[in-house]
Amino acid sequence: SQKIEQNSEALNIQEGKTATLTCNYTNYSPAYLQWYRQDPGRGPVFLLLIRENEKEKRKERLKVTFDTTLKQSLFHITASQPADSATYLCALGYWDNQGGKLIFGQGTELSVKP
Amino acid sequence: GAVVSQHPSWVICKSGTSVKIECRSLDFQATTMFWYRQFPKQSLMLMATSNEGSKATYEQGVEKDKFLINHASLTLSTLTVTSAHPEDSSFYICSARERSLETFYEQYFGPGTRLTVT
Repeated sequence: SQKIEQNSEALNIQEGKTATLTCNYTNYSPAYLQWYRQDPGRGPVFLLLIRENEKEKRKERLKVTFDTTLKQSLFHITASQPADSATYLCALGYWDNQGGKLIFGQGTELSVKP
Repeated sequence: GAVVSQHPSWVICKSGTSVKIECRSLDFQATTMFWYRQFPKQSLMLMATSNEGSKATYEQGVEKDKFLINHASLTLSTLTVTSAHPEDSSFYICSARERSLETFYEQYFGPGTRLTVT
C-alpha cells in the first residue's frame, strides 16, 4: 500500500543546532516533493519545492534533499531558532488529469529550545 | 503576493444544518482550487479538486452530495457542508494554484476554517 512517513516523534533540539526531518515514502513515484510549515490552527505555508530530477535545493537556512532511489527526502534547518518551532509537512506531488496534486505526510513537530 | 483567504475562520453550527465556507485568492487568478480536511494531529486529506467553471472532482470516499463545491470564478471557491453532523467537525483548508507556468507546482494555502458541529 502507499505510505508517506515522517518522524512520528516530536523533534526537540537546542537553538543554533541543525534540525533534520525525514520523509520516507513507499509505492509512490512523485514528480516533485514539497515541504510546508504549519503552525497550530493555521494553514500550511510553502517552504521549498524539489523536482524528481533534482538532488538538493537550498533557501537561506533551509535545505532539502530528494533521493528517488531511497524514496526519501531530508529537510534541514541550520542555525535553528525558537521561531522555527512548528509542524513541518512533506507533500508528494504527482500529475493526473486534473493537473498536479499533493499527498501529505502526517507532519513532524519541531521544538527549538533557547 | 499569492494570498489565499478563507471565511469564516471558525464556525459552530447545529447538527442537521448546512455551512458554507468561502475561499478566495486575493491577488492572483486561481485556475485550480483544492479543499482539504485535517483532523487533530493528522495529515491534510484532499477532499476535492475544482477547476474554474467545471464540476469538482472528488477523492474516493468523499460524498459529493454532502460536500458541495462551487468554483464560479477565478478567485472564489465555496465548500458547503450539507446536513452537518458532529463527525464533520474538522479543520477545513483550501488551497489555490495560479495560472502560471513558473509557479505551476506551488499551491497557496488559506488559513483554514474550524468547523464544530454540535
